[in-house]
Amino acid sequence: DTAVSQTPKYLVTQMGNDKSIKCEQNLGHDTMYWYKQDSKKFLKIMFSYNNKELIINETVPNRFSPKSPDKAHLNLHINSLELGDSAVYFCASSLQAGIQPQHFGDGTRLSIL
Amino acid sequence: EDQVTQSPEALRLQEGESSSLNCSYTVSGLRGLFWYRQDPGKGPEFLFTLYSAGEEKEKERLKATLTKKESFLHITAPKPEDSATYLCAVQAGSGNTGKLIFGQGTTLQVKP
Repeated sequence: DTAVSQTPKYLVTQMGNDKSIKCEQNLGHDTMYWYKQDSKKFLKIMFSYNNKELIINETVPNRFSPKSPDKAHLNLHINSLELGDSAVYFCASSLQAGIQPQHFGDGTRLSIL
Repeated sequence: EDQVTQSPEALRLQEGESSSLNCSYTVSGLRGLFWYRQDPGKGPEFLFTLYSAGEEKEKERLKATLTKKESFLHITAPKPEDSATYLCAVQAGSGNTGKLIFGQGTTLQVKP
């Protein structure tokens, strides 16, 4: 069983479109995260939810909106996609917020044409 | 500003040739330092957490150590299957949010 699963794995779309990425974890964790990995493989935190409550909101454009319907799911919606949004987006989860190992999904590769 | 720097950026080793990867950090109030392994097309896989200077952890051919300014990941007698990108990340400050600050990674290639 996949612990942290993301869909889709690949997303190719035109500039200006709106798209969503879904994430689900079956580990029973309370905290979930979204990271962006750029072309140089640099991972940067975007958002974090603890028990469906937003606890980290880094300097991310308003076009990005996370949504956590329940503890096991954290989705990412992106409006008006731009070329610079091309990257690999990773979802992760941890037992709780704090000094806990984070378990990552295999990423969604977003390519903007 | 909190910062994590890894070196070298890339490392090529022959099978059996031991070496070390470095992770230097400048943060206010280190709470934990994490090592991850990332294979191509996959998400990072957790390896170790170190909490305080002097601490060491081992797993198979890997050993992680921590000082007040840096961490080392020692690889003893590596095998081709150890080839991957190794990421270092720190959690710092007073907030209990789980926020990780990553380094840019070291890509290790082990040749048979």
